[in-house]
Amino acid sequence: QVQLQESGPGLVKPSETLSLTCTVSGDSMSDSYWNWIRQPPGKGLEWIAYISYSGYTNYDPSLKSRVTISIDTSKNLLSLKVISVTPADTAVYYCARGQYYGPFDPWGQGTLVTVSS
Amino acid sequence: QAVLTQPPSVSGAPGQRVTISCTGSLSSIGAGYDVHWYQQFPGTAPKLLISTNINRPSGVPDRFSVSKSGTSASLAISGLQAEDEADYFCQSYDSSLTAPHVFGTGTKVTVL
Repeated sequence: QVQLQESGPGLVKPSETLSLTCTVSGDSMSDSYWNWIRQPPGKGLEWIAYISYSGYTNYDPSLKSRVTISIDTSKNLLSLKVISVTPADTAVYYCARGQYYGPFDPWGQGTLVTVSS
Repeated sequence: QAVLTQPPSVSGAPGQRVTISCTGSLSSIGAGYDVHWYQQFPGTAPKLLISTNINRPSGVPDRFSVSKSGTSASLAISGLQAEDEADYFCQSYDSSLTAPHVFGTGTKVTVL
């Protein structure tokens, strides 16, 4: 069965760029949409973006100007870049497999990113 | 960012039945899109619990059931057990100019 594993820097300084990766194992990345979702500490879930196997992307309008999602199907790798981060970007970031209308299943275990100087 | 509204908390004694509401809009739940529910324990990732198209992943007890009407959906937990104490989030697709995937505000279920 498919498994997802996020990795990230842990701590990023304000105004810098955050880069995250998600390694997909156990299945191919075809026939699915690959998502990034985040959860600020003690708060709810926020969908960030998805990318299809063929490279079609969609973003949350409020984040679109700062976020780039990409996929490397040869390496089974999903990536996310967030530029000009602020403390408001502090969150646990999850990758998740999805379908066009949802649901998200499975999820990675998440990686905590703290934006602080 | 959440555009689906849930009660912040619900509670019940073991064995009781509790329900969690999820209120959306005409562009999300009201447009006929499925509603998906996730269960999250502290310090762990959310996990798909059940969907309104009655897709219940293997291993999910049939104590969990869902319904949908108009612009709202509900998750019911019958025969509440201590292990059900967790956060629950609803999620749906939204065809408006917001993000295509929207989550609920989340509900903490407490077993008394």
